[in-house]
Amino acid sequence: GENVEQHPSTLSVQEGDSAVIKCTYSDSASNYFPWYKQELGKGPQLIIDIRSNVGEKKDQRIAVTLNKTAKHFSLHITETQPEDSAVYFCAASIGGSQGNLIFGKGTKLSVKP
Amino acid sequence: KAGVTQTPRYLIKTRGQQVTLSCSPISGHRSVSWYQQTPGQGLQFLFEYFSETQRNKGNFPGRFSGRQFSNSRSEMNVSTLELGDSALYLCASRRSGGTDTQYFGPGTRLTVL
Repeated sequence: GENVEQHPSTLSVQEGDSAVIKCTYSDSASNYFPWYKQELGKGPQLIIDIRSNVGEKKDQRIAVTLNKTAKHFSLHITETQPEDSAVYFCAASIGGSQGNLIFGKGTKLSVKP
Repeated sequence: KAGVTQTPRYLIKTRGQQVTLSCSPISGHRSVSWYQQTPGQGLQFLFEYFSETQRNKGNFPGRFSGRQFSNSRSEMNVSTLELGDSALYLCASRRSGGTDTQYFGPGTRLTVL
């Protein structure tokens, strides 16, 4: 079945460093790839998303890249801050439907001051 | 604009009971999706409703059901609860379809004893 693999499962960086999280997906029909940040006790919050007609998207310190040929996409956070500490999830739409997302297992990011 | 709201936030039930969870989408949003989040399985898609009709369904047993009302509010029901149903149940809404972004609520934490 459809699958999204996410690496690493945990990531620890020093404040000011960059963090990179990578995901691969299996469904060739996937055309929408959001990234969510989840803090303790809260629901996932969308931080950035990319669609299959775009290779890269940037929003201030956050960027996402997509390689449809290789079926992988990555999240890049630059100049990390302690408040970036959270669990990050990548997701891919199934069969082109954005209401049906398959998620990676998550990456716990810790930013040390 | 108010976000997605879910009630109740916490719930404790015993095996064999049934439970109903409620979700109010963002005003103007007509699509509601439900997800189950557990430490072992991560975030898994349950189903999506749009204009009172189930549009997509994940791989969950028939004990899990849902519905959507004319005001777009949605409920999900789990019958004959099992210990493994203990999870955070998340609701997400989006305007309609296509390229709309999905926004999550804070979730309902269900504990089955």
